[in-house]
Amino acid sequence: EAGVTQFPSHSVIEKGQTVTLRCDPISGHDNLYWYRRVMGKEIKFLLHFVKESKQDESGMPNNRFLAERTGGTYSTLKVQPAELEDSGVYFCASSQAGGLGRTQYFGPGTRLLVL
Amino acid sequence: SQKIEQNSEALNIQEGKTATLTCNYTNYSPAYLQWYRQDPGRGPVFLLLIRENEKEKRKERLKVTFDTTLKQSLFHITASQPADSATYLCALGGSSNTGKLIFGQGTTLQVKP
Repeated sequence: EAGVTQFPSHSVIEKGQTVTLRCDPISGHDNLYWYRRVMGKEIKFLLHFVKESKQDESGMPNNRFLAERTGGTYSTLKVQPAELEDSGVYFCASSQAGGLGRTQYFGPGTRLLVL
Repeated sequence: SQKIEQNSEALNIQEGKTATLTCNYTNYSPAYLQWYRQDPGRGPVFLLLIRENEKEKRKERLKVTFDTTLKQSLFHITASQPADSATYLCALGGSSNTGKLIFGQGTTLQVKP
């Protein structure tokens, strides 16, 4: 069974540009999460989808970040316009439906560097 | 605000010994706690889950304890091996309908042969 995949693995952009990150969850997983780790800090929650609906977007930093999950399958996270402080590793995770504490399966992350 | 503390310094131990990692938290009452392993350049990998009403969980060479009074979890790796060298992350989850996890910064374990 394929795991969570993320694309691209690395992205280097200039301040002010737009970047779109993609996440393909494990097939059949209703729950999809985005997290971010900035240099020297802990992994922080951004948002949670259940199928195509946003269940919790309390961790989204500001309105420059837009996440979508059309059709309840893959998800995209767009940063527009990117700022220097957006640099970090963006992780996507997915889990099966139902119950507390379901195992979250993480992708390898997208390393974003904003210059 | 919610805070999770893990040993920021790397833990170096000899192969065959037991590694013990600590996770302390404040201003939070988690419904469950998870431990993850992360290798360089990879995403976290789930290891163990322990719920608030459980004191201890075991899986092969791994053992987790959870003390909600002390607000602390201990993670033990017995008979450690060089392959156990990695960063170990503690993550807390709440009782709401979201699967949002709050992570600690992680502790790096180095097992020397």
